[in-house]
Amino acid sequence: GAVVSQHPSRVICKSGTSVKIECRSLDFQATTMFWYRQFPKQSLMLMATSNEGSKATYEQGVEKDKFLINHASLTLSTLTVTSAHPEDSSFYICSAATGRLFNEQYFGPGTRLTVT
Amino acid sequence: GQNIDQPTEMTATEGAIVQINCTYQTSGFNGLFWYQQHAGEAPTFLSYNVLDGLEEKGRFSSFLSRSKGYSYLLLKELQMKDSASYLCAVNGGATNKLIFGTGTLLAVQP
Repeated sequence: GAVVSQHPSRVICKSGTSVKIECRSLDFQATTMFWYRQFPKQSLMLMATSNEGSKATYEQGVEKDKFLINHASLTLSTLTVTSAHPEDSSFYICSAATGRLFNEQYFGPGTRLTVT
Repeated sequence: GQNIDQPTEMTATEGAIVQINCTYQTSGFNGLFWYQQHAGEAPTFLSYNVLDGLEEKGRFSSFLSRSKGYSYLLLKELQMKDSASYLCAVNGGATNKLIFGTGTLLAVQP
């Protein structure tokens, strides 16, 4: 089946630094990748939609200059949290869509970001 | 606007049947998904409905009524490992974005 990986799985960084999270589709080419954020005991909130070779589309309220998304190939998308602050601490999950069938999204295992 | 409602928490007994409801109001509709999510892990796909009716897959079934904006996930022969959050998500159409409900935290008790 379709497998999506994320790296790192956990990261702790100091306030003011930047963190890059990678999302890879391992055995398929993803036409679209999505980035979500999930706070404790809450559901997934879509941050942005990323298509290979084009600029990401950000959801309302998500700062594009703070959350930089690069989708350089059909198997890799990166999310960079710039100048991270403690309130950015969250569970970040990516998903990749194949564009086939019902455009099911396959989720990565998530990245737990803690900003101290 | 876009709105997806689910109960926040439910409790059920091992071996029993539980039904988790989801109502939605979205500007577009290209199918409804149910995901299971254990704490600290990514969601895993359970079911997909795009036409009205019941889809059955082993111990899990999902129902959709598009005219009522309503779906439910039915879990039979509950096991302790079924304790998790269950997320209802609607594919909003043109952009293929998934809009997630708040999730239902199911606790299965012995």
